[in-house]
Amino acid sequence: RKEVEQDPGPFNVPEGATVAFNCTYSNSASQSFFWYRQDCRKEPKLLMSVYSSGNEDGRFTAQLNRASQYISLLIRDSKLSDSATYLCVAAGGGNNRLAFGKGNQVVVIP
Amino acid sequence: EPEVTQTPSHQVTQMGQEVILRCVPISNHLYFYWYRQILGQKVEFLVSFYNNEISEKSEIFDDQFSVERPDGSNFTLKIRSTKLEDSAMYFCASRDTTIYEQYFGPGTRLTVT
Repeated sequence: RKEVEQDPGPFNVPEGATVAFNCTYSNSASQSFFWYRQDCRKEPKLLMSVYSSGNEDGRFTAQLNRASQYISLLIRDSKLSDSATYLCVAAGGGNNRLAFGKGNQVVVIP
Repeated sequence: EPEVTQTPSHQVTQMGQEVILRCVPISNHLYFYWYRQILGQKVEFLVSFYNNEISEKSEIFDDQFSVERPDGSNFTLKIRSTKLEDSAMYFCASRDTTIYEQYFGPGTRLTVT
C-alpha cells in the first residue's frame, strides 16, 4: 500500500474558482504533514504545514483528519500562477523523512 | 532568505562512472536529506543525515550510494558506479532542529548514458 495516495488529476480550474483536493496516508505514526508545490522540473517548495485544527494562509486552507488519515487542501479565487502540482507529504520516522504523494496537477484556465 | 544550493545543476555521465553531487544546506540547519525523483514519478526518500552519521536510509540507498559532510558547509551524495536507472533529479533538503519543515535545493539532474 502506498504511504501517501493522491488522485493526480489534472484538475482544470477556471480562474477565480475554488478547487479542493485531498490525500490519504497509511502510516498512522506519521507526525507532521505538509503541502508542497512543485512546478515543472523544479524542486518542491513548501506551501504550508497542516495542523489538526486546520490552518489558513491567504487563499489556501489545509485540514487534517487523523482519525480518517486524510489531508485536504482548498484553494480559493484561483490565479493563473497557481498552476502547478501540489504534493501531499507525511513526515515520520525518528528523523522525519518525508513520504510524498504523486501530486495533484492543477491547471488554472483563463 | 537563506536557501539550499546544489551543484551541478545538470550532470551527464556514462554508465559505470562515479558521480558526486554537492549540496550546501541552510547554514544553521542540522538535519540533511537526499531525495530523488525519476521523471514522471513521485519524490522518493534516499537518506537522512544527522550528527555526522546516517540516521535513516531507504532500500534505494544501497552499497553504491554514500553520503559525506566533508566540511562545515557541504553535504555530498556519491554514486560509485552509475546505472541507467539512476537517471533522475536528485534533491538535497535540510531542516532546523526545532521544526519539521524541510527546505529543498533546486536539484541536480543526473543523466546516465
